Amino acid sequence: DGGITQSPKYLFRKEGQNVTLSCEQNLNHDAMYWYRQDPGQGLRLIYYSQIVNDFQKGDIAEGYSVSREKKESFPLTVTSAQKNPTAFYLCASRLLQGARNTGELFFGEGSRLTVL
Amino acid sequence: QQQVKQSPQSLIVQKGGISIINCAYENTAFDYFPWYQQFPGKGPALLIAIRPDVSEKKEGRFTISFNKSAKQFSLHIMDSQPGDSATYFCAASIGTGRRALTFGSGTRLQVQP
Repeated sequence: DGGITQSPKYLFRKEGQNVTLSCEQNLNHDAMYWYRQDPGQGLRLIYYSQIVNDFQKGDIAEGYSVSREKKESFPLTVTSAQKNPTAFYLCASRLLQGARNTGELFFGEGSRLTVL
Repeated sequence: QQQVKQSPQSLIVQKGGISIINCAYENTAFDYFPWYQQFPGKGPALLIAIRPDVSEKKEGRFTISFNKSAKQFSLHIMDSQPGDSATYFCAASIGTGRRALTFGSGTRLQVQP
């Protein structure tokens, strides 16, 4: 089955530690996205990538880093510089071109990060 | 800058009633308006979407109403069911291609049996 796999589902981190959240998709989608979800604030865009080896900052990129070395993978690193990292992180992907491009964003099941 | 404002934050509806969630946008360049549904512990999934060339789109019990002049759009859930209890997000983007979606703050819907 095609889809987006995020891991780990739950992660605990001590203050001052960097952590990396994994996101893999087998949908052959061009673009991949990372959103952060906090109660009452909706989904806020952290980073996105439209093509391999290229990515752009979203609205809340400070304290985060990403890489896009392969089309199917878009890992997110939450660095110690992120002031309030406890949140639910969602990875998504979508097609950018072609007849199958409906604009639909496909999401993974999320990773919940808790800083102790 | 919040470009898509969503209300209410939470909503309680009786089974069989109509649920209405509203969104307003600021950027007149937006031309794609989807609604996403999210169940607890899961990622959001596309429910229904509309383009500004139509004022209404219906899929089953779900209807989007769109008012371009007022820069508003809303989701109506007819005959609401307990299984509709979820968080709903409106969103907007410029086209369906390279631009990322901007989401509203979400509405938590509870449908009471």
